[in-house]
Amino acid sequence: AQRVTQPEKLLSVFKGAPVELKCNYSYSGSPELFWYVQYSRQRLQLLLRHISRESIKGFTADLNKGETSFHLKKPFAQEEDSAMYYCALRGLSGGYNKLIFGAGTRLAVHP
Amino acid sequence: NAGVTQTPKFRILKIGQSMTLQCAQDMNHNYMYWYRQDPGMGLKLIYYSVGAGITDKGEVPNGYNVSRSTTEDFPLRLELAAPSQTSVYFCASSLSGNTIYFGEGSWLTVV
Repeated sequence: AQRVTQPEKLLSVFKGAPVELKCNYSYSGSPELFWYVQYSRQRLQLLLRHISRESIKGFTADLNKGETSFHLKKPFAQEEDSAMYYCALRGLSGGYNKLIFGAGTRLAVHP
Repeated sequence: NAGVTQTPKFRILKIGQSMTLQCAQDMNHNYMYWYRQDPGMGLKLIYYSVGAGITDKGEVPNGYNVSRSTTEDFPLRLELAAPSQTSVYFCASSLSGNTIYFGEGSWLTVV
C-alpha cells in the first residue's frame, strides 16, 4: 500500500535552531517524493522535490531508500518558516499518477 | 495568472442540502483533483480526472460527485450534505501528474 507518514503533528523550535521534519513512506516501486508548504492564509505550494536535489529557502531533503525516508532539514530556522509542511509521494495507481499526502507537520518557529 | 480558482471560499450548509464547489484552471492542465483536509489530518483525495470526460474515485469519494466536461472546469457536487463533510476542500491541477498547483481552498461547514 502507498502511504506517507509524518509522525509529528507539531514541531516547535526557536529561531536559529536546526529543524528536521520527518517523513517516511511506503511504496513498492521507485517513488517520487515532494515537500509542500502552506503558509498562513496562503495556498499549498511546492517547496521541493527529491529529483531536483535543490535547496529552497535553505531547506533540503534527501531521499533515503534504505530507510524509506525523506526528511526535510534546515540548519537555522527563521520565524518566516512557520507553516504547515506536507510530505507527498507520487506513484502509479490504476495506471495514473496520484499524489498521496501525509498528515502534515506544523512548524512553529519562536523568536 | 489566475492558476486554480475555487468558489465559494466559505459556505455554511444545512444537513441534507446540496451544493456544488466550482473549480477552474487556466493552465491547460489535463489532471485535476479534489482533496479534503480535515483538522489535524492530511489531504485525502476525493476524486480526480486525467482529462475531459474521464473521472475516477480517490480515497474518500462517498457523498460526492464530479464531472469534467471541459479541460478547464472540475466541479465537485455534494448531494445530501452531512456533518461529516465539514472540511476544507482543495482543488488542484497538474500537467500529466507533474507539479500540482492548488487553489486557495473552500471552507465548508454543515450544520
